[in-house]
Amino acid sequence: KQEVTQIPAALSVPEGENLVLNCSFTDSAIYNLQWFRQDPGKGLTSLLLIQSSQREQTSGRLNASLDKSSGRSTLYIAASQPGDSATYLCAILGETSGSRLTFGEGTQLTVNP
Amino acid sequence: NAGVTQTPKFRVLKTGQSMTLLCAQDMNHEYMYWYRQDPGMGLRLIHYSVGEGTTAKGEVPDGYNVSRLKKQNFLLGLESAAPSQTSVYFCASSDTRDWPPTYSNEQFFGPGTRLTVL
Repeated sequence: KQEVTQIPAALSVPEGENLVLNCSFTDSAIYNLQWFRQDPGKGLTSLLLIQSSQREQTSGRLNASLDKSSGRSTLYIAASQPGDSATYLCAILGETSGSRLTFGEGTQLTVNP
Repeated sequence: NAGVTQTPKFRVLKTGQSMTLLCAQDMNHEYMYWYRQDPGMGLRLIHYSVGEGTTAKGEVPDGYNVSRLKKQNFLLGLESAAPSQTSVYFCASSDTRDWPPTYSNEQFFGPGTRLTVL
């Protein structure tokens, strides 16, 4: 059974800092990995999707990497801003889980002005 | 282009009551999903649909029923609500075109429905 872990559960940084969020998964047989952002009381916003054949994806200040063999993904946020404060979730679409995403529990990020 | 919308946004039920949550998407997606989000449990798939007229069970389907009569709508029903069904419910759709997915299969989420069962 696929398990997805995100460490740390919470992170607080000063504005302007570059930071890395981590996601690890136990089964490397995946189709893709998706990073989401969730603001309090809101839905999930898709940030980046990496196919299993890709190593990284970039969107603005965000860069996501994928290392299937080691079961790891990172989300790099450059020059963090208070508006980046949210919970970040990673989700795996596994080859043996039908079309179901398996989610981590998220990292709650606070960027302090 | 509204994306994925859900109604209602909030609802309080008494144990044993029934209700239907409505999800609508305007992206012409074939695949649609219902998840629930609970503290310490993350998001878990309840039911999903791979096209109009189809439904399938997810990870936690007990106590719920679904219908996909129109491609753009996916309904989640609770026939007899229980306090254990207190949760935030999210609908999602994806641009999946085939399986195994050769296209992106990116999932897009609605804003959620916060349900409390007393």
